[in-house]
Amino acid sequence: KAGVTQTPRYLIKTRGQQVTLSCSPISGHRSVSWYQQTPGQGLQFLFEYFSETQRNKGNFPGRFSGRQFSNSRSEMNVSTLELGDSALYLCASSPGTGAGETQYFGPGTRLLVL
Amino acid sequence: GENVEQHPSTLSVQEGDSAVIKCTYSDSASNYFPWYKQELGKRPQLIIDIRSNVGEKKDQRIAVTLNKTAKHFSLHITETQPEDSAVYFCAASRVSYIPTFGRGTSLIVHP
Repeated sequence: KAGVTQTPRYLIKTRGQQVTLSCSPISGHRSVSWYQQTPGQGLQFLFEYFSETQRNKGNFPGRFSGRQFSNSRSEMNVSTLELGDSALYLCASSPGTGAGETQYFGPGTRLLVL
Repeated sequence: GENVEQHPSTLSVQEGDSAVIKCTYSDSASNYFPWYKQELGKRPQLIIDIRSNVGEKKDQRIAVTLNKTAKHFSLHITETQPEDSAVYFCAASRVSYIPTFGRGTSLIVHP
């Protein structure tokens, strides 16, 4: 099976702009989670989508939003970008059936906000 | 919600030494504890996991131990090699919940 893919891999934006990141999960996986990774902060959970519905949400402001399509592909949007949004954004997929599932990560999108 | 503390943040060892990374969690209902390894510039990948009905699990040079009473679990790497150098993340979750990750441990193995 093909692994989790993310596009684009790199992005440079300026403050105030918005950005959309895309994630394609492993075939058959219905859960997609998004994480923000910054040095010293580890992996901070943004939100999880399952069957086109947001099932879990982390502690991030409303500028961060997402959605999932019927084919399980997911997008994440960040509006009104701030310098502090510069980070590696990782998505991860899993079957979504629970019972302690392995998260399979994508390569990430590295976002730089100037 | 779940809170996972991971220590140390940086661990430097000589090749051949053992390395131990420790994590504590707060939610006594957590029953799944995976460990991920992230090499520089690469994605995190699962290296080993343990469930709450098991106290220890080994896979070649790596092992994980779990103490449910004390709510802590540890990763043990024996006979470390330079290719073990990476950031290691522990996580904890319960059924149908997204895992909560620790902040990571940067392991440096000196040849």
